[in-house]
Amino acid sequence: SAVISQKPSRDICQRGTSLTIQCQVDSQVTMMFWYRQQPGQSLTLIATANQGSEATYESGFVIDKFPISRPNLTFSTLTVSNMSPEDSSIYLCSVGLVRGNEQFFGPGTRLTVL
Amino acid sequence: AQRVTQPEKLLSVFKGAPVELKCNYSYSGSPELFWYVQYSRQRLQLLLRHISRESIKGFTADLNKGETSFHLKKPFAQEEDSAMYYCALQNNAGNMLTFGGGTRLMVKP
Repeated sequence: SAVISQKPSRDICQRGTSLTIQCQVDSQVTMMFWYRQQPGQSLTLIATANQGSEATYESGFVIDKFPISRPNLTFSTLTVSNMSPEDSSIYLCSVGLVRGNEQFFGPGTRLTVL
Repeated sequence: AQRVTQPEKLLSVFKGAPVELKCNYSYSGSPELFWYVQYSRQRLQLLLRHISRESIKGFTADLNKGETSFHLKKPFAQEEDSAMYYCALQNNAGNMLTFGGGTRLMVKP
């Protein structure tokens, strides 16, 4: 298994600002993912964070809005840029140890944009 | 495209009653299906996956390719089963997990 921590756990931000969320894993992992869970909704994959290269974004998500870094095999960041109230969500980091097997999830970051 | 549907947002049963949480999927390849659970104030975690064909906490789920379903069942619900349950489908490349909308299970005493 893997132990995942996220910072911050929650934040309240003003519209137009940006927030960077950190995801730290206790071991080296191949795959890291970022999800969004809007209020009352399910989880939606934002992107796969690739170590040493640009992230792979899903339909509806773009790098300018959600830039992602992954400098090594244990750490990744997701930035939510130029925020609006519609970005209010829980953002979750997850990791996969073996392709096709279960993913392990972080505790999430609850973002509220005023 | 892959899609997962959980038709019930909320399922309320009494302790000891049978439980069935429905999940239907749409996928052109060979599906890899999971049930994830989130208990109150805890993070999302894997409950079971179809390929392992095991029972976890009394829950089982059978993949029915004909009906494209992966319903989660338990013969006798317990209060501690109250949680949010998500059905999820993994693509063949093993790098994309698509979640259903989730079903909140409430088990009343």
